[in-house]
Amino acid sequence: GENVEQHPSTLSVQEGDSAVIKCTYSDSASNYFPWYKQELGKGPQLIIDIRSNVGEKKDQRIAVTLNKTAKHFSLHITETQPEDSAVYFCADHSNYQLIWGAGTKLIIKP
Amino acid sequence: DTEVTQTPKHLVMGMTNKKSLKCEQHMGHRAMYWYKQKAKKPPELMFVYSYEKLSINESVPSRFSPECPNSSLLNLHLHALQPEDSALYLCASTVGQGEGYEQYFGPGTRLTVT
Repeated sequence: GENVEQHPSTLSVQEGDSAVIKCTYSDSASNYFPWYKQELGKGPQLIIDIRSNVGEKKDQRIAVTLNKTAKHFSLHITETQPEDSAVYFCADHSNYQLIWGAGTKLIIKP
Repeated sequence: DTEVTQTPKHLVMGMTNKKSLKCEQHMGHRAMYWYKQKAKKPPELMFVYSYEKLSINESVPSRFSPECPNSSLLNLHLHALQPEDSALYLCASTVGQGEGYEQYFGPGTRLTVT
């Protein structure tokens, strides 16, 4: 079945630096790739998504890139701030469901 | 407004109790979802309702019983649960069940089974 691999599992960066989280997927028919941020005790929050007809999308300090040939997509957060600390999940939409990565715990060091 | 609400926020129940979780959205979405999330894991899909009809049941034990009374409401009825059912239960909704629709989540109900 469809599988999404996410790396790293934990990422610690200095406040103000950039963070990059990478995901690979297996279903070549997948066309929609959302990213979710989950803070402690809260539900996942959709922060950005990308569809297969574009290679990059930006929203302020957050960007997502997609390489359909290599079947991988990445989340880039620039100028990290303490409030960026959370668990981030990538996903792809396959067979009417979201297939999730295992998650990345992002720690922002002051 | 992309709000999905869930009640209660926390629930503690014994293995012989019957309780219900409630989810509500007023975005006009026609697909609604129940997920179970264990600590440090991604959400696991349990059920999908599309146009108020159950379209996906991910082989969930019968002690979990979903219900969709109308297009805005989704319930999850719980009966004779086990301690391993303790988890965060999340509700989500999308415009439709097809591909490429943004899925919005509620804050979840933290369930503890004693």
